[in-house]
Amino acid sequence: DGGITQSPKYLFRKEGQNVTLSCEQNLNHDAMYWYRQDPGQGLRLIYYSQIVNDFQKGDIAEGYSVSREKKESFPLTVTSAQKNPTAFYLCASSIGSGLGLNDEQFFGPGTRLTVL
Amino acid sequence: QQQVKQSPQSLIVQKGGISIINCAYENTAFDYFPWYQQFPGKGPALLIAIRPDVSEKKEGRFTISFNKSAKQFSLHIMDSQPGDSATYFCAASWPIHNTDKLIFGTGTRLQVFP
Repeated sequence: DGGITQSPKYLFRKEGQNVTLSCEQNLNHDAMYWYRQDPGQGLRLIYYSQIVNDFQKGDIAEGYSVSREKKESFPLTVTSAQKNPTAFYLCASSIGSGLGLNDEQFFGPGTRLTVL
Repeated sequence: QQQVKQSPQSLIVQKGGISIINCAYENTAFDYFPWYQQFPGKGPALLIAIRPDVSEKKEGRFTISFNKSAKQFSLHIMDSQPGDSATYFCAASWPIHNTDKLIFGTGTRLQVFP
């Protein structure tokens, strides 16, 4: 059963703590993305990676960090520097042909993070 | 310039009616315009997409209309069904650095009542 898995589905964190959200894909996709979704604001890109060991900042990278040590995994760490971390976080992947062909992005089910 | 403006924010339609969601953009370099559908608590899924070399694309009950000169595109859902109740996002991308980066609209929550 191919797809993208995100864990956990719900996550609670105390202020001042770092937390890592998991994203795994078995689609053999090169490109992976992290988005943040807030009510009324659509999806905003946090980080993306086109290839293992390389990643780029998106539009709202401050207070977040990522790693891409394996093709199938792209974990996101929400650090204590992120001032308003409560949100729905979505991971996505695409073939990443690198040819600007607008490959379809496939999304995971999301993780809802709540800071207490 | 990188924004995609989406309207309305919410839409209520009776079963069998037509749902219309509109998006507008400024960046003329955008060359790919997908629509994503998202059910509550789930990730978005690609519904239909269009490139600016055609003015319309139809897949079943879903149609994208594209007006290049006006820099607008819209999603039409014919014969709307309660199962279509979801949030719809338009998006756009352009060929920069060979990435698949998407700029999303703010979403439209569609409710279809029987």
